[in-house]
Amino acid sequence: DAGVIQSPRHEVTEMGQEVTLRCKLISGHNSLFWYRQTMMRGLELLIYFNNNVPIDDSGMPEDRFSAKMPNASFSTLKIQPSEPRDSAVYFCASSLAYGEQGTGGYTFGSGTRLTVV
Amino acid sequence: DQQVKQNSPSLSVQEGRISILNCDYTNSMFDYFLWYKKYPAEGPTFLISISSIKDKNEDGRFTVFLNKSAKHLSLHIVPSQPGDSAVYFCAAQTEEGSARQLTFGSGTQLTVLP
Repeated sequence: DAGVIQSPRHEVTEMGQEVTLRCKLISGHNSLFWYRQTMMRGLELLIYFNNNVPIDDSGMPEDRFSAKMPNASFSTLKIQPSEPRDSAVYFCASSLAYGEQGTGGYTFGSGTRLTVV
Repeated sequence: DQQVKQNSPSLSVQEGRISILNCDYTNSMFDYFLWYKKYPAEGPTFLISISSIKDKNEDGRFTVFLNKSAKHLSLHIVPSQPGDSAVYFCAAQTEEGSARQLTFGSGTQLTVLP
C-alpha cells in the first residue's frame, strides 16, 4: 500500500495564478480530508468528503478555494486566483468513514508546500 | 475560535528526562483524543489515543492522561530520546454526520537535547 500520495511536493507560483493540488487516497478508504498547516493556526480542516460527497466545507477560507472528488480514489484542491497569504503546507488525509474509534485511522500524505509570491 | 489548544509552541528537554506536552479543549462533545507526531517534510502520523471513558492510556514510553473535568489532556514521554524531536499535535474527535472528524491543536515543537 503506497499510502496517501500528494502532488506536487512543492509549488511556487505567482500571485493571481491558478494552483491545483492533488491527492490519491488509500485504496478502500472512503473519507477524504484536506488540511492546511500554518504557523499561527496549526492544522486547519478545510473540507472533507465521504463517499465522494462533500460533507463540510465550512473551513474553506474563500470562494477562491474549491475541492472535488471526481472518483473514489482521487481529489483536487484548487485555488484561483492564488494570493501570498495562501502560502502554507496543504495536507490531505484519508480514512474509513466509520473508522474504528480512536485508532487514528487518518492516514496523511506528505503534504504540498505552496509558496505564492 | 480554537476548540483544541496547545499553548506551548515549543518545548526543550534533556535526553532521558520526561517530556510533558499539554492540550486543552473546549468542546464537551469530544469523545476521543489523539496525539499525532510530525517530522519535517512528512505528514502527521498517529501516536496514541484515549477514549473519554478512560483517564490514562499507556504505550511503551508514551502515556496520555485525560482530565475531563478540566478539559485537559497531556502526553508524557519517558525517557525522552533525540528521535522524539518533532512537532506533536493534539487532536479531538467527535462523531458528526458520517465521518469522524478530527480537530487539531496548533502543535508543540519538542526538541530533545542529547
